[in-house]
Amino acid sequence: KNEVEQSPQNLTAQEGEFITINCSYSVGISALHWLQQHPGGGIVSLFMLSSGKKKHGRLIATINIQEKHSSLHITASHPRDSAVYICAPGDSNYQLIWGAGTKLIIKP
Amino acid sequence: NAGVMQNPRHLVRRRGQEARLRCSPMKGHSHVYWYRQLPEEGLKFMVYLQKENIIDESGMPKERFSAEFPKEGPSILRIQQVVRGDSAAYFCASSPPSTGAVFFGEGSRLTVL
Repeated sequence: KNEVEQSPQNLTAQEGEFITINCSYSVGISALHWLQQHPGGGIVSLFMLSSGKKKHGRLIATINIQEKHSSLHITASHPRDSAVYICAPGDSNYQLIWGAGTKLIIKP
Repeated sequence: NAGVMQNPRHLVRRRGQEARLRCSPMKGHSHVYWYRQLPEEGLKFMVYLQKENIIDESGMPKERFSAEFPKEGPSILRIQQVVRGDSAAYFCASSPPSTGAVFFGEGSRLTVL
């Protein structure tokens, strides 16, 4: 069993839809990162969570430490949100276990 | 405040040559991390450096790879005598000493012919 499971692996939605990407992990962590990787390959850090909920613009990330589960939500999705979203829990801020990623395509 | 700057963005080397990848952390960040992403794989941690010190190199291959973060200038990841298996995207990240929030560069893509 993988230490980090993301679902769905692929998601295609229409512009404006509410998007949810889930992440379950089996390791003990001190923090969990959500990252965005664009087709060109660059990586953007979206959130680092150790508890509760964070919001940045149209993005919301939540984490439940007891259930070892985190979710990333995108409200009012837009084609520019199309990317691979990666969940990466870690027992330090840099020793991260990378999920396989969720490939998101938002159609106009 | 510029982000984490990596250069070159793309580097082509022949087998046996040396590759040098540079990373300038964000202003105020004293911690630098290097990761490698092999094709179709997730990122793997390589090394964690602070100014003039290697803190954790548990992910670095034992041979041909070295990293430094001098007092002045960018962090350098150096790969000697490159082989085809070194072809990958190398990402640098930096963080300030206080929050631990990690910010990534755009990556350097090394292709070994």
